[in-house]
Amino acid sequence: GENVEQHPSTLSVQEGDNSIINCAYSNSASDYFIWYKQESGKGPQFIIDIRSNMDKRQGQRVTVLLNKTVKHLSLQIAATQPGDSAVYFCAETGGATNKLIFGTGTLLAVQP
Amino acid sequence: NAGVTQTPKFRVLKTGQSMTLLCAQDMNHEYMYWYRQDPGMGLRLIHYSVGEGTTAKGEVPDGYNVSRLKKQNFLLGLESAAPSQTSVYFCASSYSPTGIDTQYFGPGTRLTVL
Repeated sequence: GENVEQHPSTLSVQEGDNSIINCAYSNSASDYFIWYKQESGKGPQFIIDIRSNMDKRQGQRVTVLLNKTVKHLSLQIAATQPGDSAVYFCAETGGATNKLIFGTGTLLAVQP
Repeated sequence: NAGVTQTPKFRVLKTGQSMTLLCAQDMNHEYMYWYRQDPGMGLRLIHYSVGEGTTAKGEVPDGYNVSRLKKQNFLLGLESAAPSQTSVYFCASSYSPTGIDTQYFGPGTRLTVL
């Protein structure tokens, strides 16, 4: 079946550093990708998305890069802050039109 | 605009008991989803609905049933709870009438089955 490998599983950075989280997906038909942030005790919150006709999209301090050739997706957080501490999930469609497949998550810990 | 709400927030059941989790959304979304989240396994889709009166199985549907009698509500039922169903359950909804779209999540229900 479809799967999404996410790494690292944990990431510890110093405040102000940049953070990078990676996902590798298996289905070349996947055409929509999302990053979610989940704080402790809460549901996942949308951060940023990208469709397969793009290879880069930027938000406030976040950038998502998509490399369809090698089926790789990354999330970059610039100038990481303590408030960024959370679990981050990537998700992709797996070629379906109504379902998402989630990665296993990355726990980001920001040291002040 | 409350978004996606879930009730209850916490529940403890004994093996064999039944219960229903309620999800409600006020965004007029067509699609609704139920996931379970277990440590180290991310989010796994249990059941989903593409519109009022429709339901479909996801990745891990066994032991669960769902109903979508009203567009704004999506119910998840456990007929005979088992300890393996101890998990955190999340409901989500999306607009998506013709294709995949961003899913918005509720705050979760933490269920323990003894």
